[in-house]
Amino acid sequence: QQQVKQSPQSLIVQKGGIPIINCAYENTAFDYFPWYQQFPGKGPALLIAIRPDVSEKKEGRFTISFNKSAKQFSLHIMDSQPGDSATYFCAAKQAGTYKYIFGTGTRLKVLA
Amino acid sequence: DTGVSQDPRHKITKRGQNVTFRCDPISEHNRLYWYRQTLGQGPEFLTYFQNEAQLEKSRLLSDRFSAERPKGSFSTLEIQRTEQGDSAMYLCASSSPPGTQETQYFGPGTRLLVL
Repeated sequence: QQQVKQSPQSLIVQKGGIPIINCAYENTAFDYFPWYQQFPGKGPALLIAIRPDVSEKKEGRFTISFNKSAKQFSLHIMDSQPGDSATYFCAAKQAGTYKYIFGTGTRLKVLA
Repeated sequence: DTGVSQDPRHKITKRGQNVTFRCDPISEHNRLYWYRQTLGQGPEFLTYFQNEAQLEKSRLLSDRFSAERPKGSFSTLEIQRTEQGDSAMYLCASSSPPGTQETQYFGPGTRLLVL
């Protein structure tokens, strides 16, 4: 079954904290794993992405950790700020296609 | 051209009516996607175009849904005989030509409400 399971559904952290959002997948034929940030009333915006041959990728305050054997990947937001309050989606692209499967989203609130 | 644009941003219609949405991708992008997003869910893939060719289509895209990209630039998504279950945000995204990093840029979406 082609599915990406995302947790938690919602998350509240204090400013400066490190929220961690997790995703797990079942289909081994995924070859690209992006994370998106979405603010209310806007379309999702790409934050950071990783391919399965890499175990970690860092861009600014955002880090993806990828565990191929466990079929899991996670997003860490360092030094979180109130402006990071948004909904975050993980996604996975099926190899050989341009079809993306999205997780159900995590609503993050960073308290000032 | 600063991004993907969609029109209209909001649409309210009565059940049974037809609606059409338009998406203008980033000008040099040859790939275009349509997604549907319901409240509290992630975007669900509907269809994908490379230039004017519709290369992939989800089973979610029933025969009431049709998408076109006639000249490989803008795209339209039409829903015929709308149902209340069609109420959702319809998102369009575009991405770069082959050989470059795959980054989908999403538009702001069209929010559809079927009464």
